[in-house]
Amino acid sequence: DGGITQSPKYLFRKEGQNVTLSCEQNLNHDAMYWYRQDPGQGLRLIYYSQIVNDFQKGDIAEGYSVSREKKESFPLTVTSAQKNPTAFYLCASSINWNTEAFFGQGTRLTVV
Amino acid sequence: GQQLNQSPQSMFIQEGEDVSMNCTSSSIFNTWLWYKQDPGEGPVLLIALYKAGELTSNGRLTAQFGITRKDSFLNISASIPSDVGIYFCAGQLSGGSNYKLTFGKGTLLTVNP
Repeated sequence: DGGITQSPKYLFRKEGQNVTLSCEQNLNHDAMYWYRQDPGQGLRLIYYSQIVNDFQKGDIAEGYSVSREKKESFPLTVTSAQKNPTAFYLCASSINWNTEAFFGQGTRLTVV
Repeated sequence: GQQLNQSPQSMFIQEGEDVSMNCTSSSIFNTWLWYKQDPGEGPVLLIALYKAGELTSNGRLTAQFGITRKDSFLNISASIPSDVGIYFCAGQLSGGSNYKLTFGKGTLLTVNP
């Protein structure tokens, strides 16, 4: 089936540890995005990539890092520098940067 | 930066009633998108609007792109229990090499059977 796959669905980490969230798409989309969602909030953009081997900071990039070595994959690392990492993380992709985005199922990260 | 005001924040309605929600922006957009999110899931695209004044339907859902390009509304007719969820609007100002998709804070819809 074509789509966007995020894994794992739930993730628990100890404070101070880095953690990497996976996002894979088989839609042949050029653009990919990471959003963070907190209760009662809209989606806030962390990083985006318009094409492979290129990515840009979004509105809340501090404490996060990404890579885009393959078109299908856009992993997000939540580093220990992120002061409030517990949140619901959503990955999305679009044909290109100028078209509507489609979302994965999300990863709920809890840092204890 | 661009801000989207989405209202209402929440709605409690009876099954069968019609629902209306809207988004207004301080800036103009080229595209308006409406998404629905079920609890613990990713948002699903409902309707995409590309032209000012455009009125588009998807089953019981109807959305319009405001003439001023600063607003959009979503209507749901004859609501059913599975309409429950959070509805998000999103506006995109595309141009040059800059991408920007701005989301509203969502409208939580509860439908009583």
